[in-house]
Amino acid sequence: GAVVSQHPSWVICKSGTSVKIECRSLDFQATTMFWYRQFPKQSLMLMATSNEGSKATYEQGVEKDKFLINHASLTLSTLTVTSAHPEDSSFYICSAKPPGQGHDTQYFGPGTRLTVL
Amino acid sequence: GESVGLHLPTLSVQEGDNSIINCAYSNSASDYFIWYKQESGKGPQFIIDIRSNMDKRQGQRVTVLLNKTVKHLSLQIAATQPGDSAVYFCAETLTGANSKLTFGKGITLSVRP
Repeated sequence: GAVVSQHPSWVICKSGTSVKIECRSLDFQATTMFWYRQFPKQSLMLMATSNEGSKATYEQGVEKDKFLINHASLTLSTLTVTSAHPEDSSFYICSAKPPGQGHDTQYFGPGTRLTVL
Repeated sequence: GESVGLHLPTLSVQEGDNSIINCAYSNSASDYFIWYKQESGKGPQFIIDIRSNMDKRQGQRVTVLLNKTVKHLSLQIAATQPGDSAVYFCAETLTGANSKLTFGKGITLSVRP
């Protein structure tokens, strides 16, 4: 149980284009999902918390107009990197947390490797 | 030992030996801690967790120890296997409606055959 998927697993795009990454919880409903970015040889950095049916909460320093998050259903959150530039190249990972008390563990997706040329 | 710059610290162990991976966490108010394993090109995989009302928890071949006095967390892996080679991250959180994980820097475990 607690499987999270991401699509695509990797994407290469030209500078200035937008890229959408999907995160799905496959066997549970997730009212809260999280988006992280990870640069090579570094730890995961939380970008934003995605709440179903409401606006995402962004961490300090993360541009909400550049990284658009939509959490339209209990099993799907999307991250759109708008007007991507080479410095946005990174490994983007989502996680989901089952609702309810006692469910404090986040389950992670396999990640999406974004390369901006 | 630990290296500087963008390189993660590396722990090298012989196959079959026990491994101990250490982590210093930052928030004394954190009440829930998790160890994750991340293989190259993949997302973090849950290994074991522990709540602040405990100081030790055992799983299959893994044990987590928590020392709240010095804000220290460790992961012990018994009889380390080549498949254990990965980057290991500790994560902490204060549980609640708006809880979020804070990850440690990560340690690379390299298992020598």
